[in-house]
Amino acid sequence: KAGVTQTPRYLIKTRGQQVTLSCSPISGHRSVSWYQQTPGQGLQFLFEYFSETQRNKGNFPGRFSGRQFSNSRSEMNVSTLELGDSALYLCASSSGGRSGNTIYFGEGSWLTVV
Amino acid sequence: AQKVTQAQTEISVVEKEDVTLDCVYETRDTTYYLFWYKQPPSGELVFLIRRNSFDEQNEISGRYSWNFQKSTSSFNFTITASQVVDSAVYFCALSEEISNFGNEKLTFGTGTRLTIIP
Repeated sequence: KAGVTQTPRYLIKTRGQQVTLSCSPISGHRSVSWYQQTPGQGLQFLFEYFSETQRNKGNFPGRFSGRQFSNSRSEMNVSTLELGDSALYLCASSSGGRSGNTIYFGEGSWLTVV
Repeated sequence: AQKVTQAQTEISVVEKEDVTLDCVYETRDTTYYLFWYKQPPSGELVFLIRRNSFDEQNEISGRYSWNFQKSTSSFNFTITASQVVDSAVYFCALSEEISNFGNEKLTFGTGTRLTIIP
């Protein structure tokens, strides 16, 4: 059974550009969440989607957005990149529905903003 | 507000020693879920265990064991007979039951970097 797949794994962008990251959840999973990991702030929740609807959102500026498609695949977008957006972006999937499901993570996308 | 504290930033032990990673949590909910993840240098968070607030039984999985104590709001993780492959950053996390609609938001601790010295 394939795990959570994230693309691209590594990318370098210039300040002011935008970036789109992609996540394919485990087959059958309907919930996809995104997290940002930085040395200074640790692991922080960005948002979660379930059945194409944003169900929960973290405390990030509007430059961070996401969406989920009918096949549960998800994308997140960061516009007008800042140097502080350099981070490991992790996608997680779970079956969704009720709380307390096991949540599985992908290998992440390493974003460097220069 | 929910909070997870991992007071140990870094731990180093010699191979084959036992090591315990501490996790203390705060939540106002009566129903919540606790997790442990392992993060090797590749970056992926590897799921280790999930425990709900109503199940205080300790769990053992091979060399890994977990001690959940609601009275002290702790969910500690012990590795017995540590091996070099156990070297990684370990995260404790908490999610709350907001409603029957579901909630997959995890609040993470700051992690403990474990180094096993051969």
